[in-house]
Amino acid sequence: DTEVTQTPKHLVMGMTNKKSLKCEQHMGHRAMYWYKQKAKKPPELMFVYSYEKLSINESVPSRFSPECPNSSLLNLHLHALQPEDSALYLCASSQPVSGFTDTQYFGPGTRLTVL
Amino acid sequence: QQPVQSPQAVILREGEDAVINCSSSKALYSVHWYRQKHGEAPVFLMILLKGGEQKGHDKISASFNEKKQQSSLYLTASQLSYSGTYFCGTGQGAQKLVFGQGTRLTINP
Repeated sequence: DTEVTQTPKHLVMGMTNKKSLKCEQHMGHRAMYWYKQKAKKPPELMFVYSYEKLSINESVPSRFSPECPNSSLLNLHLHALQPEDSALYLCASSQPVSGFTDTQYFGPGTRLTVL
Repeated sequence: QQPVQSPQAVILREGEDAVINCSSSKALYSVHWYRQKHGEAPVFLMILLKGGEQKGHDKISASFNEKKQQSSLYLTASQLSYSGTYFCGTGQGAQKLVFGQGTRLTINP
């Protein structure tokens, strides 16, 4: 089973709203990722959690707040977003091999629109 | 540092072959190939590790030349289902994958 699930599939929010994106995997992976993808662009890494600890933050604005409650779950809390934050948000998971980037499996994404 | 893919777009007829290239100005330790269809998640195709290996499954294969710091993806006798955007990703440290800008492949009947 190489499935990563994400909810919701679509989300529309105002600039003053607070919302959360959720991601779940049951492959026993101990590294989980958030990516942002704009139309016709590649996925851009936002955050990496390794063994439930934040290991990479690619200078993401504080209006995005990640959380990893356990080894299977990853959340992305959103607050006071801007219209330019509208994008496809992808979650991925992999095994955290030391010093090496292992295969990452992606979820279907959440299509976020900020009004 | 973002790898560079070429070409940016390819249009083929069903049954034709295609090559997509991925190059980096930094030393490569691993190259990951993904295909993404419109509105869907990127799907893993294969990973190549330094050592100049070549991999393949079905009619899709790839090579990795670490001396030239480049990888190539070969699609043979293309099928309609091969349409999509192909991304190469280079491993840059533990768990950090940086994607190229993508190559859009269109297969016409």
